[in-house]
Amino acid sequence: EAGVAQSPRYKIIEKRQSVAFWCNPISGHATLYWYQQILGQGPKLLIQFQNNGVVDDSQLPKDRFSAERLKGVDSTLKIQPAKLEDSAVYLCASSSRTYDTQYFGPGTRLTVL
Amino acid sequence: TQLLEQSPQFLSIQEGENLTVYCNSSSVFSSLQWYRQEPGEGPVLLVTVVTGGEVKKLKRLTFQFGDARKDSSLHITAAQPGDTGLYLCAGWSNSGYALNFGKGTSLLVTP
Repeated sequence: EAGVAQSPRYKIIEKRQSVAFWCNPISGHATLYWYQQILGQGPKLLIQFQNNGVVDDSQLPKDRFSAERLKGVDSTLKIQPAKLEDSAVYLCASSSRTYDTQYFGPGTRLTVL
Repeated sequence: TQLLEQSPQFLSIQEGENLTVYCNSSSVFSSLQWYRQEPGEGPVLLVTVVTGGEVKKLKRLTFQFGDARKDSSLHITAAQPGDTGLYLCAGWSNSGYALNFGKGTSLLVTP
């Protein structure tokens, strides 16, 4: 069974630029999560989708971050404009349903200069 | 947000030694999970503990959930270099949707 795929693996941008990350969850998984992991900290949930609907986006900085999962499969996370403090690893995870085991992708390491 | 405090933050030991890492909170959790994260990879679930006082063993790893369901520990016997990684504990928030993670314990096991 293929795992959660993410791209790109690394991205370097300058502050105020835009960036987008892509995630392809495990086939058949209804729930998809985006986490932000700042160096030295544990992952923090940004947004959770159930199929193509948002379940929880309470910790998503909505003035600059957006995410979508249009067909209930792939998802994109966008940052516009980026700030220095957005430098982090962005992890995507999926599960069959809420409370089931979450499977994480390898993450995208973002550096904002 | 229910905070999970992990200690120690860093641990460097030699192969063959035993170690214990801790995960503590002032809040009660219905369950706690332990993950291991290797450099450049996402976290991988090791175990879920559900019942207060529960002890689970996974080869050389022993996980315990506190009686009051506010804390947990992970004990590794005879550590090996392959155990190197970031160990994270996590629990579901009161709202039920968000999985809250601690900051993790970074373990280095040298040959």
